[in-house]
Amino acid sequence: DAGITQSPRHKVTETGTPVTLRCHQTENHRYMYWYRQDPGHGLRLIHYSYGVKDTDKGEVSDGYSVSRSKTEDFLLTLESATSSQTSVYFCATSMRYEQYFGPGTRLTVT
Amino acid sequence: DQQVKQNSPSLSVQEGRISILNCDYTNSMFDYFLWYKKYPAEGPTFLISISSIKDKNEDGRFTVFLNKSAKHLSLHIVPSQPGDSAVYFCAASWDGGSNYKLTFGKGTLLTVNP
Repeated sequence: DAGITQSPRHKVTETGTPVTLRCHQTENHRYMYWYRQDPGHGLRLIHYSYGVKDTDKGEVSDGYSVSRSKTEDFLLTLESATSSQTSVYFCATSMRYEQYFGPGTRLTVT
Repeated sequence: DQQVKQNSPSLSVQEGRISILNCDYTNSMFDYFLWYKKYPAEGPTFLISISSIKDKNEDGRFTVFLNKSAKHLSLHIVPSQPGDSAVYFCAASWDGGSNYKLTFGKGTLLTVNP
């Protein structure tokens, strides 16, 4: 969906370095979500936001933090990247049940 | 414990035939169900949804059926086309303070052969 962008689209980083992924929306949706997709696991929720400065943990939140300082942007930070965080990360937004996804960020931690 | 299960990792059908993708859930609180389609290197796209007050919802070639007593839903694609080849995810949610979080199944890879 053109209204949701993610940056960067690809990133390779070393173990122990901090990494921030950005999600930007032009839909003015209240809710925003970060997922990771791994083979054999489907889509798993990392963190989500239900408003500016309002965030909460998902099912796989360890090692991740998030911030939402304005409606349009939702940042996902890996404080100290580990190889287990190599994955494809998707951002999504919604007003109710139907979530709309960004194109994804492929992150490789070496 | 997996609350949304897609027990078939893959499904192969011939073009023009019906594709049936299945999904089971365990959480009785779920009251809204969605199907997403995902192509490689793209984000998932919303396909169709159904509320627990209905047992069927149709949109063009896509129909979702919900059997609440069996905690089972299915997605029917008729007729199947090669462009339907993708991974399909089933997802579920509930009202009442969930912040519309979705719980996803692991997905089923559909291949439609010409």
